[in-house]
Amino acid sequence: QMTQSPSSVSASVGDRVTISCRASQDIATWLAWYQQRPGKAPKLLIYAASILQSGVPSRFSGSGSGTDFTLTISSLQPEDFATFYCQQSIIFPWTFGQGTRVEIK
Amino acid sequence: QVQLQESGPGLVKPSQTLSLSCTVSGDSISSDDSYWTWIRQPAGKGLEWIGRIYTSGRTKYNPSLKSRATISVDTSKNQFSLRLSSVTAADTAVYYCARDRINMVGGVIHPSLDVWGQGTTVTVSS
Repeated sequence: QMTQSPSSVSASVGDRVTISCRASQDIATWLAWYQQRPGKAPKLLIYAASILQSGVPSRFSGSGSGTDFTLTISSLQPEDFATFYCQQSIIFPWTFGQGTRVEIK
Repeated sequence: QVQLQESGPGLVKPSQTLSLSCTVSGDSISSDDSYWTWIRQPAGKGLEWIGRIYTSGRTKYNPSLKSRATISVDTSKNQFSLRLSSVTAADTAVYYCARDRINMVGGVIHPSLDVWGQGTTVTVSS
């Protein structure tokens, strides 16, 4: 089971935003992060906990291993307002966190 | 550029079988570095992994679906499909197909859902 915090966060353009994801058991670095804008499919941001997917801006970064992980947006941009999900890929079935909504302050 | 496109009925009656297809372009469904996956999302809720298939036909499913899901592949059409039997209103959702890419990181496999279809809405109602 994957648990994200906070469930939502209000932030301004330029802010640094941090989202946490906790696994109920050790998943090493088998973790990915996705961004989902309203009405759109999720988009892969990071895999293997910290590897940036090709084409994703460098303001996104991921860290962590074991049970605790973090997604950081270093300087929030207007297009970043969306819902973010973590997902583990070591134990079947693959499971996602409940999502963290990043809203405009 | 790899693209995935879901297709199928948008309305299914309770107790019937939901059938969806996903057409892959820009990649071969027979490639040995990808699995092909179905995920769903009820309105306003989170993502649920349904299952995946490899080109060999090997599958994995989410036990929460109680054996109602079947995923198959048609290499001649470069498509894979989902069948979900005995549907109820709880199966109403946006259904996505996705490529589950096998990434090698330091000699270790790290999967990631790197390409998604746009999603198709399926409503279960009489």
